[in-house]
Amino acid sequence: DAGVIQSPRHEVTEMGQEVTLRCKPISGHNSLFWYRQTMMRGLELLIYFNNNVPIDDSGMPEDRFSAKMPNASFSTLKIQPSEPRDSAVYFCASSFPFDEQFFGPGTRLTVL
Amino acid sequence: EDQVTQSPEALRLQEGESSSLNCSYTVSGLRGLFWYRQDPGKGPEFLFTLYSAGEEKEKERLKATLTKKESFLHITAPKPEDSATYLCAVQPFPSGGYNKLIFGAGTRLAVHP
Repeated sequence: DAGVIQSPRHEVTEMGQEVTLRCKPISGHNSLFWYRQTMMRGLELLIYFNNNVPIDDSGMPEDRFSAKMPNASFSTLKIQPSEPRDSAVYFCASSFPFDEQFFGPGTRLTVL
Repeated sequence: EDQVTQSPEALRLQEGESSSLNCSYTVSGLRGLFWYRQDPGKGPEFLFTLYSAGEEKEKERLKATLTKKESFLHITAPKPEDSATYLCAVQPFPSGGYNKLIFGAGTRLAVHP
């Protein structure tokens, strides 16, 4: 298995632009997680899907952030409009229910 | 509120110098405690899951232990390739089937030859 796949690996954009991050979970996993990692706040859970349904989005910082999972093999995290404080590494992870989560390589986002 | 505290924040060891990393947690009910390793520029990599006090798991030079309030990651005779950030996470008993992990801030380990 190729593991969790994320794209792009690096994204540099200007404030106000729309950013879309993509994730392909491990085949067969039915739980998918989006995290954000910064030096100041560490690893924070943004949103969690189970069987393609969002279960808890209480970690999404504000309405500028949205996430979708149209099918079991694809998810997106969108930021519109982006701001400099959104600069971070965004990770996608997947798992079977209650088992260990497997993380992707991350997308390093820089908003200028 | 569920919380995870890791100590020390950073640890510098000489090759072969054994030590332990600490993960203290406060959680209403613990389903599992997870250890991950993260190398610079990469995603966290799963190491161990512990489910009950007294449980131990080993992998090469690493051994994880669990009590009712904390977990330790013991590193025996470390090598430079063990240098990484080690993350601890707790999984509370699920509410409504919720599979959440709460991560600590991590311990940055540097092993020098």
